[in-house]
Amino acid sequence: GAVVSQHPSRVICKSGTSVKIECRSLDFQATTMFWYRQFPKQSLMLMATSNEGSKATYEQGVEKDKFLINHASLTLSTLTVTSAHPEDSSFYICSASETSGGVYNEQFFGPGTRLTVL
Amino acid sequence: SQKIEQNSEALNIQEGKTATLTCNYTNYSPAYLQWYRQDPGRGPVFLLLIRENEKEKRKERLKVTFDTTLKQSLFHITASQPADSATYLCALTGGFKTIFGAGTRLFVKA
Repeated sequence: GAVVSQHPSRVICKSGTSVKIECRSLDFQATTMFWYRQFPKQSLMLMATSNEGSKATYEQGVEKDKFLINHASLTLSTLTVTSAHPEDSSFYICSASETSGGVYNEQFFGPGTRLTVL
Repeated sequence: SQKIEQNSEALNIQEGKTATLTCNYTNYSPAYLQWYRQDPGRGPVFLLLIRENEKEKRKERLKVTFDTTLKQSLFHITASQPADSATYLCALTGGFKTIFGAGTRLFVKA
């Protein structure tokens, strides 16, 4: 089946630093990648959708300059949390889809990255 | 605004029994409804998808129903096992967007 990896799985950083999270589709080409954020016992909240080679589309309330997304290839997307603060501490999950457009595109999820900002 | 509600309290059942989880939604007309399993500290794993024109879908010990009139989906796990213990997420797709419920935690006791 389709496999999506994330790296790192856990990261602890100091307030004010930037953190980069990688999302890779290992055995398929991901036309579209999604980045989610999940707080304990809450649902996944979509942050942004990115299509390979184009700018990401951010959800309302998500700061583009704070959460930089790059989808430079069909197998890799990165999320950079810039000038991280303790309130950015969360579980970040990416997913990837082989197709774009259409009503439904099956998403394959990565294992998630736990970010803790001290 | 669009809203998905899943049982916020954990569901505790005995091994071998059938677990039934509920997903209700409002202000939404999804074309598809999906159920995912999520283990602690892990990403969701896709289980089943059901389309708006389908009433029921089965896969091994899993069964999903979809009632677009009631705006409700039921997710059943028959002959439950301790290994089925996890959080189960309901997700709705419509208008090129997918939204997720907060999930229901299931504990299956041996």
